[in-house]
Formats: sequence, C-alpha cells, structure tokens
Amino acid sequence: GAGVSQSPSNKVTEKGKDVELRCDPISGHTALYWYRQSLGQGLEFLIYFQGNSAPDKSGLPSDRFSAERTGGSVSTLTIQRTQQEDSAVYLCASSLTGGQPQHFGDGTRLSIL
Amino acid sequence: RKEVEQDPGPFNVPEGATVAFNCTYSNSASQSFFWYRQDCRKEPKLLMSVYSSGNEDGRFTAQLNRASQYISLLIRDSKLSDSATYLCVVMGGSASKIIFGSGTRLSIRP
Repeated sequence: GAGVSQSPSNKVTEKGKDVELRCDPISGHTALYWYRQSLGQGLEFLIYFQGNSAPDKSGLPSDRFSAERTGGSVSTLTIQRTQQEDSAVYLCASSLTGGQPQHFGDGTRLSIL
Repeated sequence: RKEVEQDPGPFNVPEGATVAFNCTYSNSASQSFFWYRQDCRKEPKLLMSVYSSGNEDGRFTAQLNRASQYISLLIRDSKLSDSATYLCVVMGGSASKIIFGSGTRLSIRP
C-alpha cells in the first residue's frame, strides 16, 4: 500500500521480555517519527529520524528504549525488559521532510502482562 | 504551563451548528501548525495545515494568530461524522520539536 505500515498490529507479552516494533514509512519520505499514546492521553514524542542525520532521541523515556532506521527506510523500535507502564499504542509517522505534515500508520497496540 | 494547550472538552453540539476551538502555544519561534483529527482507537489523520493568512477547506476554517500565539479551528454546518478528537500540532524551529496538543473532543448529536 501507499501508506505507513506498522507491524505487528497487536502485541501481548510478559513483563521483562523484549519487544521489537516495525515501521515501514511512505516511499520517499525522509523524516520518520515514533510516538506513543496511552489510553485517553495525547501523543508522546519518542524519536525522530531525518535522512542520514543523527536521530533526535530526546523523547525516549529510558535507556530500555532504542530505535534504528536502516537504509533510510524501515525503522524498528525496541523495548527491552518491558514493564507494565510500557503498555500503549506505538505510532509511527513519516513526512516528506522535516516540518511537513505527518502521515501516521495504524499503530501497534502493546500490552504488557 | 504546557507548550501546547487545548480545551479537552467535550464539546457537545447539535448537527448543523457551528463550533470553534482554540489551541495556544508558548514558543513564539514555532513555525508550522496543523490540525489533525483522531477517531476513537484510530491513528491521527491530517485535517489541514494552518497558514498565516488563514485557510479554508470546505466547512473547515483554520486561523493563526501569532501575536496572541494561538491557532483556531472553525467547523460550520457540523455533521455527525465530525465527531472526533481534534489535535493541534505545533512545530518549533527544528523539525524534531513537534508538540501535539492533548486534543479537544467533539461530539455532534442528531
């Protein structure tokens, strides 16, 4: 499809396990963002990639969170030693370049038991 | 003070009414502004960009007031399908400085 693709759609895992979330941005979009949204809350910025520049990691809540973007396209967000407070919807967005409107994927609903 | 503030609502208005809500921002260096809508348990979707001169898209009008540091969204002739949460987005001097408001819930009743 032409939109932002995220996988898996849903992930249920036990506390302490590592999880990896994937985002496939719109082709040609150089900017990629990760957010998370807890139920009934606003979006929380996590990390931003722009082309080959060093990512802005200022929103990552702890060192258990990391993200990569290989080849300027697909990105993976990894959460190590998951905690129950990590339960949220993780949204990925891409834009043509920084400062342009973002297009969101459907999100990954993460539940930590 | 939050960097971007919105009245959480809910705004509950009858079908056909006109409704408006604002979003205030604290960073005077902010450069780009957008309105998104988010349906329940769905991802945000771009509704419209907000330009300095104001802009209109059908029943929707967005305006920017730099002096008072707020943006507004006006919806005319509201439809049941307009029921959603409306998020304002403010981008600062660097593209990574993107702040989403927590959203204003709008409910249109028949």
